[in-house]
Amino acid sequence: GENVEQHPSTLSVQEGDSAVIKCTYSDSASNYFPWYKQELGKRPQLIIDIRSNVGEKKDQRIAVTLNKTAKHFSLHITETQPEDSAVYFCAAGQAGTALIFGKGTTLSVSS
Amino acid sequence: GAVVSQHPSWVICKSGTSVKIECRSLDFQATTMFWYRQFPKQSLMLMATSNEGSKATYEQGVEKDKFLINHASLTLSTLTVTSAHPEDSSFYICSASAGQGYQPQHFGDGTRLSIL
Repeated sequence: GENVEQHPSTLSVQEGDSAVIKCTYSDSASNYFPWYKQELGKRPQLIIDIRSNVGEKKDQRIAVTLNKTAKHFSLHITETQPEDSAVYFCAAGQAGTALIFGKGTTLSVSS
Repeated sequence: GAVVSQHPSWVICKSGTSVKIECRSLDFQATTMFWYRQFPKQSLMLMATSNEGSKATYEQGVEKDKFLINHASLTLSTLTVTSAHPEDSSFYICSASAGQGYQPQHFGDGTRLSIL
């Protein structure tokens, strides 16, 4: 089955800096890679996703890159703000099926 | 759009009690719903995949007789924790997608279960 590794587990940055979170996956059949943001005690919220036929996707300050050959994908947040502080989860799976989540990255943005 | 409602949000009950958690897709039909369990400061662990009109598919290590899943309609799936014990205390959260293909999963608010 799929296995997703996520690094780092914690990340502290200054406001305005960039943050990068990296994930690797094991199942070459996986073709869908979403990223979720979870604030304390709340539901995970989808922030961006990428399909296997795309190498990069951007939405304002958030971008995701995918390297299918190396089986890794990354989340990039530019110009970080204190409200970006949360736990971020990457996930991998086949479209329409269950997702396997990474262990999460706690991002702290200090002003 | 794509709202998933989960109820109840918080349950405290005695050991041995059975607890039912509901997951509803409010504005779309969900052929498939997923149930996850999350321990404090940990990731979401997939428990089972719930398919409308058929038996749920459980992940390895999840007791299907302990965690009963029913998906009777395209908008409702339920998880029943039978004869709950303190070790079953956790945050349970469901998700649903609007259809096949590259449809994102949308999560409910989760249910915090505390067994005394």
